[in-house]
Amino acid sequence: RKEVEQDPGPFNVPEGATVAFNCTYSNSASQSFFWYRQDCRKEPKLLMSVYSSGNEDGRFTAQLNRASQYISLLIRDSKLSDSATYLCVVTRGAGTASKLTFGTGTRLQVTL
Amino acid sequence: EPEVTQTPSHQVTQMGQEVILRCVPISNHLYFYWYRQILGQKVEFLVSFYNNEISEKSEIFDDQFSVERPDGSNFTLKIRSTKLEDSAMYFCASRAFGRAAGPTDTQYFGPGTRLTVL
Repeated sequence: RKEVEQDPGPFNVPEGATVAFNCTYSNSASQSFFWYRQDCRKEPKLLMSVYSSGNEDGRFTAQLNRASQYISLLIRDSKLSDSATYLCVVTRGAGTASKLTFGTGTRLQVTL
Repeated sequence: EPEVTQTPSHQVTQMGQEVILRCVPISNHLYFYWYRQILGQKVEFLVSFYNNEISEKSEIFDDQFSVERPDGSNFTLKIRSTKLEDSAMYFCASRAFGRAAGPTDTQYFGPGTRLTVL
């Protein structure tokens, strides 16, 4: 079983749509969770950390369900500039040198 | 805004040659990492480095790979004898020191070095 699983997509949505991405992780010892965004042939960039209480940053909302080992990202009012690959990322420990474990990413294409 | 830098942006080499990829992490960061991404595949962890030693390494990071922090600013990845399958984008990342999850737990990535082995 993959450590971090994501639907690869692509998700093709019109501008203004709401889109949701899901991710599951297999290691119950995982402690920190993130969504990164990666544009074509560029480096991953942190979009947001994900907390158990859920968190929102503008049009983006992330949720974590530790019991189900499930992470989600909701994008409201999609913009053309949101087109990218969204990477679900987990790591074992806060305060350690712990590696990031990446999912394969979900590709989003927002169209006019 | 501080950022991680990497040189060169693109390196072409012949199979069997040695390459050194260079990174300058964010200046007050203490944890350093190398990841790679083969075209069309996911980002994979290679090695983490803290306090002048390797903290963790993956199965990919075999004897052909080494890392070094030769001075206070650079962090290098050396591949001793490159293979065709080493062709990938190599990302350096750095992280501030901290024990709490949150912003200090965030790894910031450089723009990557595209390595092409012929």
